Amino acid sequence: DAGITQSPRYKITETGRQVTLMCHQTWSHSYMFWYRQDLGHGLRLIYYSAAADITDKGEVPDGYVVSRSKTENFPLTLESATRSQTSVYFCASSEGDRLEAFFGQGTRLTVV
Amino acid sequence: GEDVEQSLFLSVREGDSSVINCTYTDSSSTYLYWYKQEPGAGLQLLTYIFSNMDMKQDQRLTVLLNKKDKHLSLRIADTQTGDSAIYFCAERSGSARQLTFGSGTQLTVLP
Repeated sequence: DAGITQSPRYKITETGRQVTLMCHQTWSHSYMFWYRQDLGHGLRLIYYSAAADITDKGEVPDGYVVSRSKTENFPLTLESATRSQTSVYFCASSEGDRLEAFFGQGTRLTVV
Repeated sequence: GEDVEQSLFLSVREGDSSVINCTYTDSSSTYLYWYKQEPGAGLQLLTYIFSNMDMKQDQRLTVLLNKKDKHLSLRIADTQTGDSAIYFCAERSGSARQLTFGSGTQLTVLP
């Protein structure tokens, strides 16, 4: 199916564990983004990527690592999860001069 | 850095008009957007406006932009229960591809 998909949809992990959230898009969009959504803060940009092997920090990158070895995938890794990283994570993609960013369904991550 | 602000909650009666307001600080904002998020779903683009426009209408949606006051509003005419959702204002500056979002306004439509 065409679109942008995130996995898993729900994840519970323990403090200190490494966890990776996956994002896959089928449009071959150049740009991909990771946002986290927290009550009262809206969406905050964690990392983004302009193309394969090009990534850059957003507003709240600390504690997160990204990679973009293939255009269609943009995984987000929490190297050592903390309770403050409990959130809903959204992946998005957009292409060139297009104005619209397309969002995945989100991953709800709980760190206990 | 850039800041986008919205009120958190709005309630309206079905059939009334809803007006959701947003203010932003970045004077170099070139595009401003309204996204809708339904429960358990991702964000869906509703409409956008270029900074050189002051109004855009799309069916039941009217976007007003006051660039001098850095104020953006979304008016939904004849609001329906299906319009209940969180509405996010977002802005994009210059050549940047990433968006800066407001905190979202929870719209509740009462029967």
